[in-house]
Amino acid sequence: DADVTQTPRNRITKTGKRIMLECSQTKGHDRMYWYRQDPGLGLRLIYYSFDVKDINKGEISDGYSVSRQAQAKFSLSLESAIPNQTALYFCATSDPGRNTGELFFGEGSRLTVL
Amino acid sequence: AQSVTQLGSHVSVSEGALVLLRCNYSSSVPPYLFWYVQYPNQGLQLLLKYTSAATLVKGINGFEAEFKKSETSFHLTKPSAHMSDAAEYFCAATPSGTYKYIFGTGTRLKVLA
Repeated sequence: DADVTQTPRNRITKTGKRIMLECSQTKGHDRMYWYRQDPGLGLRLIYYSFDVKDINKGEISDGYSVSRQAQAKFSLSLESAIPNQTALYFCATSDPGRNTGELFFGEGSRLTVL
Repeated sequence: AQSVTQLGSHVSVSEGALVLLRCNYSSSVPPYLFWYVQYPNQGLQLLLKYTSAATLVKGINGFEAEFKKSETSFHLTKPSAHMSDAAEYFCAATPSGTYKYIFGTGTRLKVLA
């Protein structure tokens, strides 16, 4: 089983619908992140959380919200989806005990907003 | 603001040829540097990382990268490309002691038979 699991892997929805992308991890890491990947733009940070009570906006948080339900779970919501939120979304974790530590990624959730 | 630049959004090489993917960072303080690989329909996985120890870093699958402070570069190389190396490669940086990982825009590597 994957250490970082994202659901759903693929989702097609319509403009104005509420969408939730879920992420769970078994790595025991406190830090969790949501990134968005668009062709030619690399990965951009949406939100990050250092523990259950600590949630922070990234560089492109407008139109998104998050919930850290437990150390292992971090969900991303689009309250009212719009077509330019069509993208590949990644959840990632890192180990705060190692500032040089890398990110561990889920397999991604591909969202299409019609 | 710190940034990571990858020169060439697409690179094609012949099987068996040298792979060179370029990455430059902008920072007054050398950050920690990473190369990640993304295969189709998969997440990113770490190839290698530089954390201020050795300047020549060896990673998985025969890849290596050299940190050059004078050139603010961290180019990725592999002596002999294999068909299985076809993927998208991302360079990333994080300033020492911070949460913030900054990604380049990616380079898609195509390996020709």
